[in-house]
Amino acid sequence: EVQLVESGGGLVQPGGSLRLSCAASGFTFSDRYMHWVRQAPGKGLEWVGRIRNRANGFTTEYAASVKGRFIISREDSMNSLYLQMNSLKAEDTAMYYCARPYSNSLSELYFDLWGRGTLVTVSS
Amino acid sequence: DIQMTQSPSTLSASVGDRVTITCRASQSIRTSLAWYQQKPGKAPKFLIYQASSLESGVPSRFSGSGSGTEFTLTISSLQPDDFGTYYCQQYNSFPITFGQGTRLEIK
Repeated sequence: EVQLVESGGGLVQPGGSLRLSCAASGFTFSDRYMHWVRQAPGKGLEWVGRIRNRANGFTTEYAASVKGRFIISREDSMNSLYLQMNSLKAEDTAMYYCARPYSNSLSELYFDLWGRGTLVTVSS
Repeated sequence: DIQMTQSPSTLSASVGDRVTITCRASQSIRTSLAWYQQKPGKAPKFLIYQASSLESGVPSRFSGSGSGTEFTLTISSLQPDDFGTYYCQQYNSFPITFGQGTRLEIK
């Protein structure tokens, strides 16, 4: 079955760290660029960042709101995507989704596969 | 960054109604626009890409149009299962940005 399953969310204090995981199955994960998208409670969708594949150097891009604090990585042998979140703030409280774009091309950068999400709450 | 603005924010309509949601971009995005439907507690569901192309399996009552800065999502005959929040997303340039959402309620 083609799916993405996130894990690792939870309650963390401001200034703390958390690592999210996304397990992929049913498609050739190693070929694909992968993204993280978040949604604060009752709010809209916000793109977090992207990681390219090995052929493109595993390079990453991030939203300005998380740049310098969040790190996206992947382990293709495990079909897994990760989001390391550091220096967490209350405004990082959100459901975090991993998402697969239709293709690696910018011209087809819409998300045809989403996980169910994992909830991160930043609070003291 | 390209700002995406949806209207209305909330919409209440009856089964069988024709419903239109508008999405405006702060600069031209050609036809690099996608639409999603999200139900409470669920991940977004992909509906439309390239402004007007329907994803496989999406009912034909859904349609999209537009180019440049103004886009619409239309549901030709609203069904009970169409409730939820609809989001547009531009992918013309990074960072990818979404509209703030339109909540569709069934009367």
